[in-house]
Amino acid sequence: AQSVTQLDSHVSVSEGTPVLLRCNYSSSYSPSLFWYVQHPNKGLQLLLKYTSAATLVKGINGFEAEFKKSETSFHLTKPSAHMSDAAEYFCVVSPRGGYQKVTFGTGTKLQVIP
Amino acid sequence: DTGVSQNPRHKITKRGQNVTFRCDPISEHNRLYWYRQTLGQGPEFLTYFQNEAQLEKSRLLSDRFSAERPKGSFSTLEIQRTEQGDSAMYLCASSTPGQGISYEQFFGPGTRLTVL
Repeated sequence: AQSVTQLDSHVSVSEGTPVLLRCNYSSSYSPSLFWYVQHPNKGLQLLLKYTSAATLVKGINGFEAEFKKSETSFHLTKPSAHMSDAAEYFCVVSPRGGYQKVTFGTGTKLQVIP
Repeated sequence: DTGVSQNPRHKITKRGQNVTFRCDPISEHNRLYWYRQTLGQGPEFLTYFQNEAQLEKSRLLSDRFSAERPKGSFSTLEIQRTEQGDSAMYLCASSTPGQGISYEQFFGPGTRLTVL
């Protein structure tokens, strides 16, 4: 069994300030973890993924996430928010290897204030 | 554009009608997935194909829903006797096979269904 909890449904930051989107997971096996971004009227796009290599994962557009097994967390961060980062972000868990039955979190809507 | 494509992008139908959606995955991807996303929620898994074989179906996929992938390329999702609760965004994704590593799923833009 697996599940994902995104702790904030909405996050609002000022442009140029850091971004933190929180994700906790539950999995009965070693998981792979992903962050996807969804801009309005666009498809889901992969930001980054953790699949058992380095625990600090760097993704596109300056985002990164750290896998912390002891805390069962995979929080997404970015040092400085840009207006174009405004979107909905989904944390995703799946079993590592084999067929990927993924489970999405409920999403965090990021608002960036100019 | 060699990404995942879905048609139509929008569908409005009356309750009780049948609708069919099409998904064209990335050409070298042998795995194809369907998801449903309702407002304010993350996508929920519906079903999964490896080549032409449908390997898993969610309990969300009632008897009114059927998915096919006859030649292991494009896939169709049909909803019979639509209900207002079927109104949602239907997403398709594809991926390459992997062993020991989870591969990224590439998502299409989705088909938004509105049942009146």
